[in-house]
Amino acid sequence: QSALTQPASVSGSPGQSITITCTGSSSDVGTYGLVSWYQQHPGKAPKLIIYEVNKWPSGVSNRFSGSKSGNTASLTISGLQAEDEADYICCSYAGSRTYVFGSGTKVTVL
Amino acid sequence: QITLKESGPTLVKPTQTLTLTCAFSGFSLTTGGVGVAWIRQPPGKALEWLAVIYWNDDKGYSPSLKSRLTISMDTSKNQVVLTMTNMDPVDTATYSCLYRGNTREAFDIWGQGTMVTVSS
Repeated sequence: QSALTQPASVSGSPGQSITITCTGSSSDVGTYGLVSWYQQHPGKAPKLIIYEVNKWPSGVSNRFSGSKSGNTASLTISGLQAEDEADYICCSYAGSRTYVFGSGTKVTVL
Repeated sequence: QITLKESGPTLVKPTQTLTLTCAFSGFSLTTGGVGVAWIRQPPGKALEWLAVIYWNDDKGYSPSLKSRLTISMDTSKNQVVLTMTNMDPVDTATYSCLYRGNTREAFDIWGQGTMVTVSS
């Protein structure tokens, strides 16, 4: 069970859209539509922003959207804002009551 | 309001067994579908999922650490306990517990974590 692969960093200007990928395998992302995404600001606990690939918890901006194709899940942030500068972490259910997390991506707003 | 708070030793010696406690409030681990998981994050490194326990006492463990981990719950005390045997300096990390609700497959609430250093 290897960690899901995310780019170390992604950057964009205010108002732009950026996409963060999360690549797993046929044992996790590819088989289960159970990918979640978390936003973590420095010194804070992670916050759930997307679950089950493309669903929003209540109170989360719809500027965040999720998708999946094959073994890769993606998080898109539209209309990038300064407050979106944070780390983003993906997670997938991997069967048999196990989970796997991504390596994390630092988003910088230029 | 759901909260989780981790506690345990800040320093353990190599080969010792680590015991961490997650004290939670705002939910019951007897509610169908609910679970509590443990993760860790070594300094400057990625998160690593460790274990999960569900309301029905089903458990799951990281395949790479399964032989060293035990997760258990005490529903009367609203606590989940994680033990990790044969600690090594590479196990130095912040350990956190997470709440998995019964409405979706995701970790809704995270504890702040507790730092554990393994050193002689």
